[in-house]
Amino acid sequence: GAVVSQHPSRVICKSGTSVKIECRSLDFQATTMFWYRQFPKQSLMLMATSNEGSKATYEQGVEKDKFLINHASLTLSTLTVTSAHPEDSSFYICSARHPQYNTEAFFGQGTRLTVV
Amino acid sequence: AQKVTQAQTEISVVEKEDVTLDCVYETRDTTYYLFWYKQPPSGELVFLIRRNSFDEQNEISGRYSWNFQKSTSSFNFTITASQVVDSAVYFCALRGYSNYQLIWGAGTKLIIKP
Repeated sequence: GAVVSQHPSRVICKSGTSVKIECRSLDFQATTMFWYRQFPKQSLMLMATSNEGSKATYEQGVEKDKFLINHASLTLSTLTVTSAHPEDSSFYICSARHPQYNTEAFFGQGTRLTVV
Repeated sequence: AQKVTQAQTEISVVEKEDVTLDCVYETRDTTYYLFWYKQPPSGELVFLIRRNSFDEQNEISGRYSWNFQKSTSSFNFTITASQVVDSAVYFCALRGYSNYQLIWGAGTKLIIKP
């Protein structure tokens, strides 16, 4: 199946700093990528839909200025958590839509962010 | 509105027992897709199955089987002869035909005791 790589898998940062998470489709071009957040023992919550070459579409309640999404190429979307605080600590997962297998979502490995 | 309900928060069984995870969905779409994903402690989501709304045939893959019933809007997942490695959180998800956004259930934590 198609491969989506997410990096880093784990990151610890200090409060007030920014953290960038990368999501790459390795063997296909993804015009659309999705970013999810998952709190412990909870389901995935869609944060935003990232479209290549255009602004991301954020879900209600997600701060655009806090969670910056850039989808500058067909194989890379980035999520930057700006001025991170401990409450931003969570598991972040990206997924990419394959142009051929468009009924499936291919997921990255996830990034566990801890803000101290 | 679309919704996925996994009423079982946590299930615990002894190894080799059979276990069924329930999934009930709501949608107004006539064409839609249903999914099951496994999330082990590592966090990575593992795709298990996709079923489209036109295909009500049950599917079996090794110890895994899925029962899709449109009449009751259910898409249940059964593990036969469970193993400790099956311990994980399992998510059921729904997607409309033209909307690529997945609607997720709350997940069921499955614990298989040796």
